Formats: sequence, C-alpha cells, structure tokens
Amino acid sequence: NAGVMQNPRHLVRRRGQEARLRCSPMKGHSHVYWYRQLPEEGLKFMVYLQKENIIDESGMPKERFSAEFPKEGPSILRIQQVVRGDSAAYFCASSPTGTTQETQYFGPGTRLLVL
Amino acid sequence: GQNIDQPTEMTATEGAIVQINCTYQTSGFNGLFWYQQHAGEAPTFLSYNVLDGLEEKGRFSSFLSRSKGYSYLLLKELQMKDSASYLCAVRDPNSGGYQKVTFGIGTKLQVIP
Repeated sequence: NAGVMQNPRHLVRRRGQEARLRCSPMKGHSHVYWYRQLPEEGLKFMVYLQKENIIDESGMPKERFSAEFPKEGPSILRIQQVVRGDSAAYFCASSPTGTTQETQYFGPGTRLLVL
Repeated sequence: GQNIDQPTEMTATEGAIVQINCTYQTSGFNGLFWYQQHAGEAPTFLSYNVLDGLEEKGRFSSFLSRSKGYSYLLLKELQMKDSASYLCAVRDPNSGGYQKVTFGIGTKLQVIP
C-alpha cells in the first residue's frame, strides 16, 4: 500500500540547468498538489492538477516553471534554467477526488539544491 | 488572501502538556488543518476542524473558534518523538470546490527530558 512517491529525493543542479521532479500519487488518487518549502518558511501552494488538466496554477511563477499530470505516468514539476533561489524542498500531495473534506497525503519531498 | 500566525518555536518537557496556538485572518473560512512535520520528512495529517469546538484524537486535540479566528493544537503526555514542526493550515474559501490550503510557517516544538 504505497503512499505518495516522489523522486528523486535529492537533486543537485547548476545554475541554468533544468530540474524535473516526479510525483506518483497514492493508488486511486487522481488529484495532485505541488508545494514549495523554502528554508525557515511555510509550505507555499504552487499548482493543483487533475489527470491531463491544470486546475489552478496561481502559486506557480509565470516563467521557468511548468507542471503536468499526464493520463499515464507521474505528475512532473519542471523548472527550467534554475537559479539559486529555486533551492527548496518541493512536496507533492494527492487526494482521491479533490473535494473540500478530504485530507491531502504528502510525499517525502524532493530537496533541490542549485549550485 | 489568508494570513496565518503561529509561534515559531516552543519547548516543553517530556510527559507534560503543550498548547500550540494559531490565529488566522481571512475573508471567509472553510476548515482548518493541523499537520505534523518531522525534520526532513513529509507533513502528516493530524486533524481537521470546520465547526467550533474541540476534536479529540488520542493524545492530540484540536480546538477551533471561528468567531475569533483562532485554533489550538493540544498535545498531552508529551513524548520525545513529538519533537517536530506543527503546521496550521486554512482552506481558501475562494478555491471553488477543491482543497487549496494556505499553510502557516509552522511551530517547531522541542521536547526535552
């Protein structure tokens, strides 16, 4: 009974490279949320996706960041041309249907370090 | 938008009781969550309050007062493993039918022997 899976757990990139973060939701969950947690700061909502649809990307920077959740496979958060300020922990959460009463289950996170 | 305030750090003694407060300011309200997050790990769900009052779940209880924009998490019989950050989060009332939440910065609790 696997929970939310994220990989890689740790990712090191040099400035200007691309970072790809993957999230596999819990079995039976079709709703995915991405959050960013900067050092000494709270979790910040980035984007909410259902299969093949971006529902709300209001928390995601307009440039360099994109997210997808294809029909098959994991959800991917992509950061192009990374900068040092992108260094953070990126958490993915999933829920069964996305309705208000549901708990979000979090993955272990990907810790991105930009050199 | 949402504004959530909670103390950044607290220290308590093993076996004692600790109360972690959270206040929020919002134009509407649709539920408050508490999560526990150990260092370097994922947040895990503790409680959800949408109506006023106290919800008890084992050693952990959560209280909500909507009129005061106030909640607290009460931890009893503290254990060393309770050392973690405790995150207060409020659901955005303008998020439509889905669950968009705003998290506070978290309260880092240290339990000492």
